[in-house]
Amino acid sequence: EVQLVESGGGVVQPGGSLRLSCSASGFSFSTLWMHWVRQAPGKGLVWISQITGDGSITTYADSVKGRFTISRDNAKNTLYLQMSSLRAEDTAVYYCARGGMNTEIDYWGQGTLVTVSS
Amino acid sequence: DIVMTQTELSSPVTLGQPASISCRSSQSLVHSNGNTYLNWLQQRPGQPPRLLIYKVSNRFSGVPDRFSGSGAGTDFTLKISRVEAEDVGVYYCTQATQFPYTFGQGTKLEIK
Repeated sequence: EVQLVESGGGVVQPGGSLRLSCSASGFSFSTLWMHWVRQAPGKGLVWISQITGDGSITTYADSVKGRFTISRDNAKNTLYLQMSSLRAEDTAVYYCARGGMNTEIDYWGQGTLVTVSS
Repeated sequence: DIVMTQTELSSPVTLGQPASISCRSSQSLVHSNGNTYLNWLQQRPGQPPRLLIYKVSNRFSGVPDRFSGSGAGTDFTLKISRVEAEDVGVYYCTQATQFPYTFGQGTKLEIK
């Protein structure tokens, strides 16, 4: 069974930093793309970043480029999102998600809430 | 970026009746490899999204066959043949043809 469990969310002040983690199990982690997608309270889904299976290629939404860094540790089956220079508009539930065999996002974690507030 | 636009359902849907949600993209979703990476997600209240349909018309594992997808190019449709109570939630179309992946604004399905 595919499982994705996010952790690391919380309350942070504007300008602060936070690192999210996503522990993956039930599949061959190192062979698949992984993504982060966020959802502001009561709003829709916004894709923010992707990383290839070997971690060599990363892609970002313009809204987070230069502030967020996606990475992975295939030995630990863990995906990360390092977030810095956080803004109020980064407040959202952050979902870790698996890339499927056809570029789709096929499995989603339960999400972790990040609140940026003073 | 590709903009995805979904239609709203005009009113709550009666149990057992069909429902249809449309999605339009601002440019063709046909990839250079010939595939069309248009997917549909369901998000039940308080839950993460769940993949229903991938590459326009392929049902994902475990998805009931009352869900079907169709379309081509820039116009796509998700159909539910007979709505059940568990179908309540928000439905999103999403394109994975090019980065950044983008989502429609969501269509809320309510049951009458």
